[in-house]
Amino acid sequence: QITLKESGPTLVKPTQTLTLTCTFSGFSLSTSGVGVGWIRQPPGKALEWLALIYWNDDKRYSPSLKSRLTITKDTSKNQVVLTMTNMDPVDTATYYCAHRGRAWGVQYNWFDPWGQGTLVTVSS
Amino acid sequence: AIRMTQSPSSFSASTGDRVTITCRASQGISSYLAWYQQKPGKAPKLLIYAASTLQSGVPSRFSGSGSGTDFTLTISCLQSEDFATYYCQQYYSYLITFGQGTRLEIK
Repeated sequence: QITLKESGPTLVKPTQTLTLTCTFSGFSLSTSGVGVGWIRQPPGKALEWLALIYWNDDKRYSPSLKSRLTITKDTSKNQVVLTMTNMDPVDTATYYCAHRGRAWGVQYNWFDPWGQGTLVTVSS
Repeated sequence: AIRMTQSPSSFSASTGDRVTITCRASQGISSYLAWYQQKPGKAPKLLIYAASTLQSGVPSRFSGSGSGTDFTLTISCLQSEDFATYYCQQYYSYLITFGQGTRLEIK
């Protein structure tokens, strides 16, 4: 059974750097094809994809946030870390990590399952 | 980036109704489309991938169709637990994008 859980601060100040950790079980990020993504959702708004890291350490970022995001993995700890610099109140959102989907023996870039999410508020 | 547009943004329906939600991509995405259901305070749940393949455990009243730029999610007979927000997501491009969501409310 695959599970993921996000952790990190619930409150950050404007201009600070946010660091979120996704701790997972039930799969290994050293297995070919596997990936973990980050998605966020401001209160009452739509989902927004942020970043994705693959088993081979390839990384993809949302173009609109690329300059502020860094995604890394620690395979030995079963963790993926997302950092976002220069936080602003508009970055207030629930942040989710999710496992890259798999079907027909191949992995694809849909997400299943998702972590429970963690709400991050940006306020002074 | 590929823009995903859902319609309607919200609507009301009754238990037992058949409902259809539409998702349109700004360029062709073949069948690289997923649908999610999200209930308040919960993480999204995968319903359908590859435009029409039902995720294991999802009731058969859910179905998806389409390819290229136009896609639909159909719920054949609404149940009370189906009132939620639905999102489409394209994965044709490495730059993943979601639709803005369709909120399904009880009439």
